[in-house]
Amino acid sequence: GAVVSQHPSWVICKSGTSVKIECRSLDFQATTMFWYRQFPKQSLMLMATSNEGSKATYEQGVEKDKFLINHASLTLSTLTVTSAHPEDSSFYICSARKQGVYEQYFGPGTRLTVT
Amino acid sequence: AQKVTQAQTEISVVEKEDVTLDCVYETRDTTYYLFWYKQPPSGELVFLIRRNSFDEQNEISGRYSWNFQKSTSSFNFTITASQVVDSAVYFCALSEGNQAGTALIFGKGTTLSVSS
Repeated sequence: GAVVSQHPSWVICKSGTSVKIECRSLDFQATTMFWYRQFPKQSLMLMATSNEGSKATYEQGVEKDKFLINHASLTLSTLTVTSAHPEDSSFYICSARKQGVYEQYFGPGTRLTVT
Repeated sequence: AQKVTQAQTEISVVEKEDVTLDCVYETRDTTYYLFWYKQPPSGELVFLIRRNSFDEQNEISGRYSWNFQKSTSSFNFTITASQVVDSAVYFCALSEGNQAGTALIFGKGTTLSVSS
């Protein structure tokens, strides 16, 4: 159990367009989901914390109007990169915290390339 | 402020050598959790271990072992008899507070290359 999926696994989009990334907990309910970003050969940096039914909490320096996060249900959180630019090209990883349990589980990641 | 330092950026070893990956952390909390993850070229994070601040007992799992020392704020990871399949980026991470499900603060990672 405790599987987290992300869709798509990779995406290429043109500069100026928007792209949505989904993070799903497949076999458990997740009250909290986290979104991380990883640039090539760098570490994972927390972008935001998403709680079901409430607004996401963004880390300092992350533009909330550019990275829209929606956690509409206990099994789904989405990250929408609006008006994407080449500098947004990165590996985006989500993790989900299992309801009632303190562990969190990572998704496989989504590689975004903006041309 | 909380921080995780992995001073070794890259390590190269030959198969069957033992290798230790260092991790030093900073936190003001008395309750915290430490983690190690492996990230192979596919990118997916593989959970290796979680330790809470009250459990300083060292752990061994097969070829892997971990040495947690609060006195030096270190949580080092040793791979014994390394194999080519161990080649990956390894991240040490910290989670503060009394809930392991809070966001993780990652170190910069150590790239391990094991050659045959």
